[in-house]
Amino acid sequence: DTGVSQDPRHKITKRGQNVTFRCDPISEHNRLYWYRQTLGQGPEFLTYFQNEAQLEKSRLLSDRFSAERPKGSFSTLEIQRTEQGDSAMYLCASSLVGRGGYEQYFGPGTRLTVT
Amino acid sequence: RKEVEQDPGPFNVPEGATVAFNCTYSNSASQSFFWYRQDCRKEPKLLMSVYSSGNEDGRFTAQLNRASQYISLLIRDSKLSDSATYLCVVTGGFKTIFGAGTRLFVKA
Repeated sequence: DTGVSQDPRHKITKRGQNVTFRCDPISEHNRLYWYRQTLGQGPEFLTYFQNEAQLEKSRLLSDRFSAERPKGSFSTLEIQRTEQGDSAMYLCASSLVGRGGYEQYFGPGTRLTVT
Repeated sequence: RKEVEQDPGPFNVPEGATVAFNCTYSNSASQSFFWYRQDCRKEPKLLMSVYSSGNEDGRFTAQLNRASQYISLLIRDSKLSDSATYLCVVTGGFKTIFGAGTRLFVKA
């Protein structure tokens, strides 16, 4: 399978704990995006990388959130001191920009539940 | 006003019906437009890009009206398997904005 993969698929954590999610994009894609989605809403943009550079961060991404893409391949999203309001589906997407296409392809998501 | 707005529905249609969704966007500088489909508790999947000249893919037709700042999706001969949430997506510069989605239920 050469699509976008995310790990873990589900995470249950207690309030105050730190969690880290991983995303592996489609191998030749140079852009990687993180989104958060809650029930009944569309995905909300959090941040994106062009290769290893983080080019844009949403104001939704508080100081407790940090994302990295150290070698321009996989990315991690860390949430520190989780709160119940962080419960959501965290989606990763990738795209190949530069050949005319901006279509984003999504991974299956990581569903986070903060108790 | 939301940057991308969609009628949340639900649209309940019988098999074989034709159904149309609209989506409006507020940023006139928006550059690229897409429709995604999302099944319950699954990730969004790209349905089609939307071009200024309009485009068709089988039973699906998408159109863009830049002057009025809306895009549309037409589904002909609806199938049970078309039941899903349809997300309108607008990109411009560094921003990608999803609508909240329109729910479609196709009934036998």
